[in-house]
Amino acid sequence: GENVEQHPSTLSVQEGDSAVIKCTYSDSASNYFPWYKQELGKRPQLIIDIRSNVGEKKDQRIAVTLNKTAKHFSLHITETQPEDSAVYFCAASRKDDMRFGAGTRLTVKP
Amino acid sequence: KAGVTQTPRYLIKTRGQQVTLSCSPISGHRSVSWYQQTPGQGLQFLFEYFSETQRNKGNFPGRFSGRQFSNSRSEMNVSTLELGDSALYLCASSLLTSGSYEQYFGPGTRLTVT
Repeated sequence: GENVEQHPSTLSVQEGDSAVIKCTYSDSASNYFPWYKQELGKRPQLIIDIRSNVGEKKDQRIAVTLNKTAKHFSLHITETQPEDSAVYFCAASRKDDMRFGAGTRLTVKP
Repeated sequence: KAGVTQTPRYLIKTRGQQVTLSCSPISGHRSVSWYQQTPGQGLQFLFEYFSETQRNKGNFPGRFSGRQFSNSRSEMNVSTLELGDSALYLCASSLLTSGSYEQYFGPGTRLTVT
């Protein structure tokens, strides 16, 4: 089955710096890659997603890139703010299954 | 527009019992998916329902089942509860249009099995 690895498990950056979280997947049939943000004690939120026919997608300060050949995708957050502090999960989905990465705890220091 | 609601929010059961959790999606959303979240295993996908049909299913034993009603409300059932079933159970409703995909999670049901 699909296996999704996410790195790093923790990331600490200074406010204003960029943060990058990377995920790799094993199943070449995966075609949908969402990213979720989960603040402490709150429900996950879908923040951005990308489909396998697209290489990059951007939404304000966040962007996601996908390299299908290498089977990896990354989340980029620019100009980080303290409110970006949360756990971020990547996921890889194919027609009949979805697997999540273990999560990255991002801390943005003011 | 009301958000995704889940009932109950908290539940305590004993091993061997069965439990039913409920999820009401956002109005107009026909897809409901269920997830299990634990500190040890992280987020795991259980299944997805669309128009009363199970469309996708994750890698969980048959003790975990679900259904969706004609009003898109969904229930999931866990039979013969085990200690390891203690988790936060999240549901999410989603809508795919020609231009975008939106998905919103409910607050979750925290199940404790003793």
